[in-house]
Amino acid sequence: GAVVSQHPSWVICKSGTSVKIECRSLDFQATTMFWYRQFPKQSLMLMATSNEGSKATYEQGVEKDKFLINHASLTLSTLTVTSAHPEDSSFYICSARGGNRGSLNSPLHFGNGTRLTVT
Amino acid sequence: EDQVTQSPEALRLQEGESSSLNCSYTVSGLRGLFWYRQDPGKGPEFLFTLYSAGEEKEKERLKATLTKKESFLHITAPKPEDSATYLCAVPNSGGYQKVTFGTGTKLQVIP
Repeated sequence: GAVVSQHPSWVICKSGTSVKIECRSLDFQATTMFWYRQFPKQSLMLMATSNEGSKATYEQGVEKDKFLINHASLTLSTLTVTSAHPEDSSFYICSARGGNRGSLNSPLHFGNGTRLTVT
Repeated sequence: EDQVTQSPEALRLQEGESSSLNCSYTVSGLRGLFWYRQDPGKGPEFLFTLYSAGEEKEKERLKATLTKKESFLHITAPKPEDSATYLCAVPNSGGYQKVTFGTGTKLQVIP
């Protein structure tokens, strides 16, 4: 149980274009999903908290107009990197708490990440 | 401010050589501590949750323990396939939805 699927696993795009990453909870409903970014040899950095049916909450320093988050259903959240630039190249990972409306003390379960390369 | 510190940053073991990874935390009102394994180019894979001091969890060659200030991940007779980065994390005491991660220990097990 508690499977999170992320797509695509990798993407290469040209500078100035936009890229959409999907995160799905396959066997449970997730009212909240989290988007992380990970640089090489570094730990996970929380970018934003995605809330079903409402606006996402962004961490300090994360541009909400560049990283658009939509959480339209209980099983799908999307992250769109708009007008991508080479410095946006990174590993993006989504996560959600397992179990229906998982308790706050439940662990997060992660997708397999998306490697974004902007040329 | 919640803090999670892991040590060592990197650990190289011979196959069969047991060792322990450390996770020290500073959080007000611990509501759980999570251990994850992350392989290169993959998302973290959940291993264990520990909720109270004295609790232990085991899975194959891994055993996680918890005290009031730290957690240990013991690896008994490791195999090359145990090579990965091990992350620990705690739910934030303030932002109740969020989780603070340590920087991880990169384990390499040599045949």
